[in-house]
Amino acid sequence: AIQMTQSPSSLSASVGDRVTITCRASQGIRNDLGWYQQKPGKAPKLLIYAASSLQSGVPSRFSGSGSGTDFTLTISSLQPEDFATYYCLQDYNYPRTFGQGTKLEIK
Amino acid sequence: QVQLQESGPGLVKPSGTLSLTCAVSGGSISSSNWWSWVRQPPGKGLEWIGEIYHSGSTNYNPSLKSRVTISVDKSKNQFSLKLSSVTAADTAVYYCARIEAVAGIYPWGQGTLVTVSS
Repeated sequence: AIQMTQSPSSLSASVGDRVTITCRASQGIRNDLGWYQQKPGKAPKLLIYAASSLQSGVPSRFSGSGSGTDFTLTISSLQPEDFATYYCLQDYNYPRTFGQGTKLEIK
Repeated sequence: QVQLQESGPGLVKPSGTLSLTCAVSGGSISSSNWWSWVRQPPGKGLEWIGEIYHSGSTNYNPSLKSRVTISVDKSKNQFSLKLSSVTAADTAVYYCARIEAVAGIYPWGQGTLVTVSS
């Protein structure tokens, strides 16, 4: 199975900050990667698909980049509602595998 | 828009079988999508369990494959999960979700907590 490694595991930041989360795949996955946001007690929400395509309705402050093994999720200017846990997911092959998550907390 | 809703017992005894159903509304389960189950143990990360196409084709996580069965009922526009020989390690919130080809997993159901305990 492809292993997805996210970094950092947790991150403290302030409203207005620019934040970058990284996801590394144990082998090349083209651009078959999505980013998900999860708030406590809620289901995950798709933010980015195909590494860099913004899901409909998601604010433009979220962006994704990367291909092959290295990917990033960037939030250009943190808003209070962005404090959550973020997961990457590869859908290049089976089994689909998630990163371990990055918890974004308020500084 | 498509909505998904999980249902099933919230408590299952060890060595028993966990059974959940996901009802799909606002769209057809016979559309060109796969339909998936994902779980999340309390305080932990997400784990993909498996998925099914309306034709009945399935893909399962090898770590669970010997215990998992996912089925589809097109007449009821729903799909189901069965996980056998459960232990406390199977305690989790179970989500059903739709998979858009090369476009991610959405929407998701709200999730249902299943506790394995005697």
